[in-house]
Amino acid sequence: EDKVVQSPLSLVVHEGDTVTLNCSYEVTNFRSLLWYKQEKKAPTFLFMLTSSGIEKKSGRLSSILDKKELFSILNITATQTGDSAIYLCARGDSGAGSYQLTFGKGTKLSVIP
Amino acid sequence: NAGVMQNPRHLVRRRGQEARLRCSPMKGHSHVYWYRQLPEEGLKFMVYLQKENIIDESGMPKERFSAEFPKEGPSILRIQQVVRGDSAAYFCASSPSANTEAFFGQGTRLTVV
Repeated sequence: EDKVVQSPLSLVVHEGDTVTLNCSYEVTNFRSLLWYKQEKKAPTFLFMLTSSGIEKKSGRLSSILDKKELFSILNITATQTGDSAIYLCARGDSGAGSYQLTFGKGTKLSVIP
Repeated sequence: NAGVMQNPRHLVRRRGQEARLRCSPMKGHSHVYWYRQLPEEGLKFMVYLQKENIIDESGMPKERFSAEFPKEGPSILRIQQVVRGDSAAYFCASSPSANTEAFFGQGTRLTVV
């Protein structure tokens, strides 16, 4: 059973639309929730969230974490074709002196002109 | 400050050969992580290393796979006697400490023929 579940798996929108991507997770060993953008190559870091209710913003992107309901959302406003990518959500797990990221399968966003 | 550097970007090996994947972390980062991404799958944790130490190798197959991060030089992920199922993108990430955001390299795409 997946520990990090993202929805939707894929999404097609028009330029200018606003999108909301969802990520739910199991709580075991939770330390942080991270969002990455993956185009054809390296996942690019977007946000790291550790506290509930505090929105993080970067330009047209924003994200928030709800530790009570165990989910996070990533919002993108006024989408552009350059936003087309796979958006990955990862839970940072900490335990027994280790630290690792558990990724969801991603949401594939396609922004069409 | 150069990002995480991985080489080679693409590697083709015949079944039974050895594959060596290299990763130089970002300057100032002493924590290195290796992830594998199979087609249509999410990123899966393999191993977490600090200088000269393997902290967590719980995600790495017990046979044929090994990793090291020597005092000098890059981290190496070594796959002996490769099989077709090893074909995947292998990503390295680094961070300055545990429980912080990890930055990914461009990945090495291994193809076993």
